[in-house]
Amino acid sequence: AQKVTQAQTEISVVEKEDVTLDCVYETRDTTYYLFWYKQPPSGELVFLIRRNSFDEQNEISGRYSWNFQKSTSSFNFTITASQVVDSAVYFCALSEADGGSNYKLTFGKGTLLTVNP
Amino acid sequence: EAGVVQSPRYKIIEKKQPVAFWCNPISGHNTLYWYRQNLGQGPELLIRYENEEAVDDSQLPKDRFSAERLKGVDSTLKIQPAELGDSAVYLCASSLDAGRFNEQFFGPGTRLTVL
Repeated sequence: AQKVTQAQTEISVVEKEDVTLDCVYETRDTTYYLFWYKQPPSGELVFLIRRNSFDEQNEISGRYSWNFQKSTSSFNFTITASQVVDSAVYFCALSEADGGSNYKLTFGKGTLLTVNP
Repeated sequence: EAGVVQSPRYKIIEKKQPVAFWCNPISGHNTLYWYRQNLGQGPELLIRYENEEAVDDSQLPKDRFSAERLKGVDSTLKIQPAELGDSAVYLCASSLDAGRFNEQFFGPGTRLTVL
């Protein structure tokens, strides 16, 4: 079973539309961290946000907002008034211990967002 | 501040040939990661270094892959011999330390094509 599921493979919207990217995770840890990264066509993953498992407060940063709900194991990402520059692949990731002293960042398969002018 | 630097950006080789990728992490970052990203997938960890020590190489195919991080700074990932299935983007990332909450900073990756 996937630890991080991004059910939406591709989303296409028209500029200025709002769009929500879904992320569902699975973990047995009580302490874990969730991340969102953006991967533009240049290939470099860009960190967007980190959230720990004890902080369910929603967060807003400009046009970006995140909704973390432990009850449904979801960490969804909303872009308000999308712009063409938002076109990229977005990855949700989970950081948890792997059973020993090591921990691992596990990524979902990503959602390709295309914002059309 | 300079980001994570990787070279080359692109590499095309014939199968059975060797290939090497180089990574220079952000200055001061003790932890370095190598990931492989197959087409349409998220990155998957190959190996993690804390300074010079490889602390997690459980996903590294050791029959053909090797890595080193001399002096705890730059790192090299090698494949010998390369197979068709090795075609992917190889990403290097670094973080201040190995804390699970630390964000990882990624380089642009090396896109490997094995013919």
